[in-house]
Amino acid sequence: DAGVTQSPTHLIKTRGQHVTLRCSPISGHKSVSWYQQVLGQGPQFIFQYYEKEERGRGNFPDRFSARQFPNYSSELNVNALLLGDSALYLCASSLLALNSYEQYFGPGTRLTVT
Amino acid sequence: QKEVEQNSGPLSVPEGAIASLNCTYSDRGSQSFFWYRQYSGKSPELIMSIYSNGDKEDGRFTAQLNKASQYVSLLIRDSQPSDSATYLCAVQGGGGSNYKLTFGKGTLLTVNP
Repeated sequence: DAGVTQSPTHLIKTRGQHVTLRCSPISGHKSVSWYQQVLGQGPQFIFQYYEKEERGRGNFPDRFSARQFPNYSSELNVNALLLGDSALYLCASSLLALNSYEQYFGPGTRLTVT
Repeated sequence: QKEVEQNSGPLSVPEGAIASLNCTYSDRGSQSFFWYRQYSGKSPELIMSIYSNGDKEDGRFTAQLNKASQYVSLLIRDSQPSDSATYLCAVQGGGGSNYKLTFGKGTLLTVNP
């Protein structure tokens, strides 16, 4: 079975630009979460979507937005990029069925803002 | 106050030894606890989940949870060089925060041949 897929793998953007990152969850999983990981830190929660509805949002500015599509894939948008947005962006997929809360990460998108 | 704290590394153990990784958390309502392994330049990989007090064993890995002490640990028996990685402790909040994982900073483990 295919795992979580993310695209692109790497991305270089200039300050002020916007970026769209994409994620496809594991087949059968209806929940997608987005995390940001900067070097030397653990992942920080950005958003979670379940059945196309936003379930939670982390402490990130409104420049960050996301959505989930009918096929449960998701995209994360970041506007007005700042140097500090340079990070590994991780998508995690979960079943969210009864007593099953494990989240499985994709390979990530490495974003560099110059 | 940090929500999830892990023992500061790096941790270095010889091949074949037991590696012990520790984690404390502040949200007493937390329900689910996870250990992830992250190799350099890669994404986190789920290796253990634990939901109730006590021990949970999976191969060479044992996770231990003590909710009263707000403490979770991971033991790696017969450590191998391939276990060298950063280990991340993640906690899922209870109640209204049950949608997100809160991670510690991670502990870098090096297993020396």
